[in-house]
Amino acid sequence: TQLLEQSPQFLSIQEGENLTVYCNSSSVFSSLQWYRQEPGEGPVLLVTVVTGGEVKKLKRLTFQFGDARKDSSLHITAAQPGDTGLYLCAGPGGGSQGNLIFGKGTKLSVKP
Amino acid sequence: DAGVTQSPTHLIKTRGQQVTLRCSPKSGHDTVSWYQQALGQGPQFIFQYYEEEERQRGNFPDRFSGHQFPNYSSELNVNALLLGDSALYLCASSWRDGYQETQYFGPGTRLLVL
Repeated sequence: TQLLEQSPQFLSIQEGENLTVYCNSSSVFSSLQWYRQEPGEGPVLLVTVVTGGEVKKLKRLTFQFGDARKDSSLHITAAQPGDTGLYLCAGPGGGSQGNLIFGKGTKLSVKP
Repeated sequence: DAGVTQSPTHLIKTRGQQVTLRCSPKSGHDTVSWYQQALGQGPQFIFQYYEEEERQRGNFPDRFSGHQFPNYSSELNVNALLLGDSALYLCASSWRDGYQETQYFGPGTRLLVL
């Protein structure tokens, strides 16, 4: 059974701090996706990483896919209150990409 | 361009009742997937519909059923509701281009079973 474990589960920081959240698995994934979900909303796709070792940047967010394609990280530089939300990683569960397996998420709170 | 829409936004039911949730996919999308997100958890895949047929199913009992209409919209039906069915139900749509189906999620329907 493919599982994605995310850490930490909760993170509360001050505006301007840097942070890294992790997504780990014992299984190899063909790709991993990161989503952000705000209260009362559905998850919004931030990025998809496909190649082992790949690094993608989205403004202050940096995503990395592990060389063995079993793990990924999300680094946020100079966090802002607008970054507050639930960060979810997800990967294909088999068959088509329609069957996504999600981690439990990291709940980030950035205080002004 | 309207995104994925879901109705209703909130719903309260009692144990044993039946519920129907609705989803309209993003314009141009032909595939709909449904997920259940319990409090404090990540979404769990229920099933996916494409060409009006259930193509994949997650580990959910037969009480969970669905339908896709010719206009690609979809319904999720849950019979004999249990307290544990209380959750946010998310619909995601995509276009089955054969390689990578980027999914776009709706805002969800929050179901409370009393």
